[in-house]
Amino acid sequence: GENVEQHPSTLSVQEGDSAVIKCTYSDSASNYFPWYKQELGKGPQLIIDIRSNVGEKKDQRIAVTLNKTAKHFSLHITETQPEDSAVYFCAAGSYNTNAGKSTFGDGTTLTVKP
Amino acid sequence: NAGVTQTPKFQVLKTGQSMTLQCAQDMNHNSMYWYRQDPGMGLRLIYYSASEGTTDKGEVPNGYNVSRLNKREFSLRLESAAPSQTSVYFCASHFGREYTGELFFGEGSRLTVL
Repeated sequence: GENVEQHPSTLSVQEGDSAVIKCTYSDSASNYFPWYKQELGKGPQLIIDIRSNVGEKKDQRIAVTLNKTAKHFSLHITETQPEDSAVYFCAAGSYNTNAGKSTFGDGTTLTVKP
Repeated sequence: NAGVTQTPKFQVLKTGQSMTLQCAQDMNHNSMYWYRQDPGMGLRLIYYSASEGTTDKGEVPNGYNVSRLNKREFSLRLESAAPSQTSVYFCASHFGREYTGELFFGEGSRLTVL
């Protein structure tokens, strides 16, 4: 089955700096890569996703890049703000299988220091 | 629009007791899921229901049972709780036909088994 590794497990940055979280996956059949943000005491919430036919996608201060050859994808957050502090999860899945069967990474705890 | 609602939010059980976690969604989604989240780990799929009337095992089904009561409701039952089942449980839903995007999560149920 799919195996997703996520690094780093914790990340601390100063407000205004950039943050990068990286994930690798093992199954070349995976073609959908979402990122979820989980705030304390809440359930995860989708913040951005990318499909395998796209190399990069941006949404305001966040962007995701995908390298299918190397089987890795990354989340980039620019101009970080204290409200970006949360746990971020990557996941890898497939169009053709049930969405909720995606494999999740172990999460990255991002702390943005004011 | 409540989204995905889980009850209870907190529960303490003694080893061997049974309980049911309830989940309901009001988005007319076809697919529903139960995950567990342990410290430092990602979300692991326990059971899912791709559509009303069907249920299937996920990655970690042992010790659990589920019921898809109707399109809205999907419950998770622990028949004889064990300390290893201490975790935070998340219910999620998805539109469920070909992949259309995000999973919607509830706020979680924190279970402690003594």
